[in-house]
This record gives sequence, C-alpha cells and structure tokens, in this order.
Amino acid sequence: EAQVTQNPRYLITVTGKKLTVTCSQNMNHEYMSWYRQDPGLGLRQIYYSMNVEVTDKGDVPEGYKVSRKEKRNFPLILESPSPNQTSLYFCASSLYPLDTQYFGPGTRLTVL
Amino acid sequence: QKEVEQNSGPLSVPEGAIASLNCTYSDRGSQSFFWYRQYSGKSPELIMFIYSNGDKEDGRFTAQLNKASQYVSLLIRDSQPSDSATYLCAVNMNYGQNFVFGPGTRLSVLP
Repeated sequence: EAQVTQNPRYLITVTGKKLTVTCSQNMNHEYMSWYRQDPGLGLRQIYYSMNVEVTDKGDVPEGYKVSRKEKRNFPLILESPSPNQTSLYFCASSLYPLDTQYFGPGTRLTVL
Repeated sequence: QKEVEQNSGPLSVPEGAIASLNCTYSDRGSQSFFWYRQYSGKSPELIMFIYSNGDKEDGRFTAQLNKASQYVSLLIRDSQPSDSATYLCAVNMNYGQNFVFGPGTRLSVLP
C-alpha cells in the first residue's frame, strides 16, 4: 500500500530534550516536506527536500533541522524543543514539487 | 510575504445546496493550486488540483482559477453532511519549490 508513515504518532517531552520524528514514504517520491499545524494558522511549511541531500527552509524553519540521506526518509529533528513547538506535525511527499502531496497521519507533539 | 487567504468560516449550508469556498493568493508566479479536505484529527486529503485558468470539474466538485485576479475557488454541488470538514487551499510558490497553505475554511452541511 502506497503511504507516508510517521513515528511516533504522539509524543510528550520536556523542554531541551532532543527528539526526532521519523517520516518514510514507499512511493519513490522525490519531494518531501514537513509542516506544522496550529489552530487558526493552518499548515505552515517547516522544511522541504527536492531530492537526496537537497533540503531548504520553508516558512517556519527556526528550531528545526532535517536531513535527507535516503530518498524514502526525511526525519525532523528538534535539537532543543521549546513549548512553542507544541503542535501537530505532518510529513508529506509528492513525485515532483508541482505534483499532489500525500500526507502522513500526523504527530502530535507536546513540549512541557 | 507569501500569503494565501481564506475565510475561516464556519460556512453553513443546508444539505443539497451548493457550497462555495474561496481563496486568494499573493504570489503572481504561482503555478499550481490544490484543494484539500481535512476532517478533525485527520491528515489532509486531496480533493482536486488546477493549473490552468478556468473551471475544472470532478464529480460534485468544481475548481475555478483566475490567475489575473489571483483567485481560486471550490464549488461543492449537492452538499452532503459528510462534506462537513475544513477545506484547505494550497498554492505552489517560489517557482514550484514550496507550498503555502491557507488557514482553511470550516464547512458545516446541515441535514
């Protein structure tokens, strides 16, 4: 089944404790992206990747890191999480940047 | 500042009516436009996309694009209670490299 998977689905952590949210797709998509969704603000793009080893900042990259060492994986790293990073996070992928994006199930992160 | 704007709603329509959802965007270079539906607690799912000026129909859904006015809309005919969700407009900006989503319009279809 073609899909985008994210882990974990739910995470409660404390300020400053490094964490990684994994994202994997099995559709051989070149373009992958991370979003956060907050009430009233909609989906905001954090980082995107056009291909392996090619990443770029979206609209809200501060406090996040990403890497793209393999085509299928695009982890999101929070080196020192803060409470303002409490949000619902979505990973998405598409064959090309102009193409339809398919979303993962989401990761609900709470930073205390 | 790249922006995509939508009325937040809620937009309430009776069952069987036409629901009209609107979206405006700031970047004249935008090339592709998407409508996603998102049920509460779920991930966005694509309804349809449009690249060219004019109308595009898919079942009960019609997307309309006017690049000169920087406006894209979604019409839902014969609205059903199951259409009740938040509808997100997404615009591909920066020569196709990044997406900007609007805040979404919450639609409520009343039985």
